[in-house]
Amino acid sequence: DTEVTQTPKHLVMGMTNKKSLKCEQHMGHRAMYWYKQKAKKPPELMFVYSYEKLSINESVPSRFSPECPNSSLLNLHLHALQPEDSALYLCASSQDREGQRRQFFGPGTRLTVL
Amino acid sequence: AQSVTQLGSHVSVSEGALVLLRCNYSSSVPPYLFWYVQYPNQGLQLLLKYTSAATLVKGINGFEAEFKKSETSFHLTKPSAHMSDAAEYFCAVTGSARQLTFGSGTQLTVLP
Repeated sequence: DTEVTQTPKHLVMGMTNKKSLKCEQHMGHRAMYWYKQKAKKPPELMFVYSYEKLSINESVPSRFSPECPNSSLLNLHLHALQPEDSALYLCASSQDREGQRRQFFGPGTRLTVL
Repeated sequence: AQSVTQLGSHVSVSEGALVLLRCNYSSSVPPYLFWYVQYPNQGLQLLLKYTSAATLVKGINGFEAEFKKSETSFHLTKPSAHMSDAAEYFCAVTGSARQLTFGSGTQLTVLP
């Protein structure tokens, strides 16, 4: 299984809503990532988890809250988002060791904030 | 620190023509280099990767790239474009850290 799955595929939420994005992989990868991608732009790194601990937070606003319940799952909790947060949110995973830097990407969640 | 520059935000080729997408990198350590493709409303799919083995790397869908250290380049080529190659292409680099740094992307259009 070389797949990263993400749910939901599409999400529409209001600025007062609380929602969560989910990501799952069963490749035994110990690093997992959240990226934000605006239209016609490259992905921007948001968070990195390594061995279920948050290792990188790229100065992301607190209305985005990541969680890594176990080595296969990664969540992104959303609260009080702004319309400019509308984007494609990509999850990725990798083995996180020397020589194994390839990141496997999920299909993304298309988020629209009204 | 690592960085990637992709020359040409839009490239158009005729079906059957050579595809050449340019990527130059900067890295303070031996780099790992990747080319990803993204079709509309989809995630990123790895085309190929360079990890210090052979300098000519063959990928999926007939694509290949050559690592040239002297030119700090990792250009992507395909001998004959197909309509299905139309997509956004990203070059990316990672060094000693686990962060993947992407180029700004190149939109490839294939004309019939």
